[in-house]
Amino acid sequence: QQQVKQSPQSLIVQKGGIPIINCAYENTAFDYFPWYQQFPGKGPALLIAIRPDVSEKKEGRFTISFNKSAKQFSLHIMDSQPGDSATYFCAARSGYALNFGKGTSLLVTP
Amino acid sequence: KAGVTQTPRYLIKTRGQQVTLSCSPISGHRSVSWYQQTPGQGLQFLFEYFSETQRNKGNFPGRFSGRQFSNSRSEMNVSTLELGDSALYLCASSLEGYNSPLHFGNGTRLTVT
Repeated sequence: QQQVKQSPQSLIVQKGGIPIINCAYENTAFDYFPWYQQFPGKGPALLIAIRPDVSEKKEGRFTISFNKSAKQFSLHIMDSQPGDSATYFCAARSGYALNFGKGTSLLVTP
Repeated sequence: KAGVTQTPRYLIKTRGQQVTLSCSPISGHRSVSWYQQTPGQGLQFLFEYFSETQRNKGNFPGRFSGRQFSNSRSEMNVSTLELGDSALYLCASSLEGYNSPLHFGNGTRLTVT
């Protein structure tokens, strides 16, 4: 079964908007939560990651918010650009394996 | 530094055949992981190797196997191919697998007819 649930499946925002992608998990043994960005024909690339003892992390225009008690985390993309149009995956680590959400296809219109 | 290199990029095989995919990790990386990506199931973990030892295995049938060589390069093999094995197979490397981030290659697209 899917251990990490991601929503929405797709998202359209205008340039400059702030798309928000949400993920939820059940396994409290997960100890590392990365986000990956994937363009067509390419492998996923690590964007930003957070550990459960931190509630928020910012890197450039990307911010992760983490709510340990609710077992939820989300990605915010500030001042989104057309070049951010891609598929985004959240993930949670268990041992040496990453459990991925099913992905969110983001389209940023000019 | 060169990234993770996967060969070949595309493969077409017939049901019942076997296939071997290759992965060269980033120089200095000793951990290699394999993932299967399909539209229906998304990204699913296959297995992880470190210093030629498999440390973790996902929930895939025994037809899926892998190995790692002393230079950290890795191969995965799928025997008795089924139509449902059609997928993008992604290899990822990291320094040591647990406290270091994964870097993915661009994958091998396998089509089984």
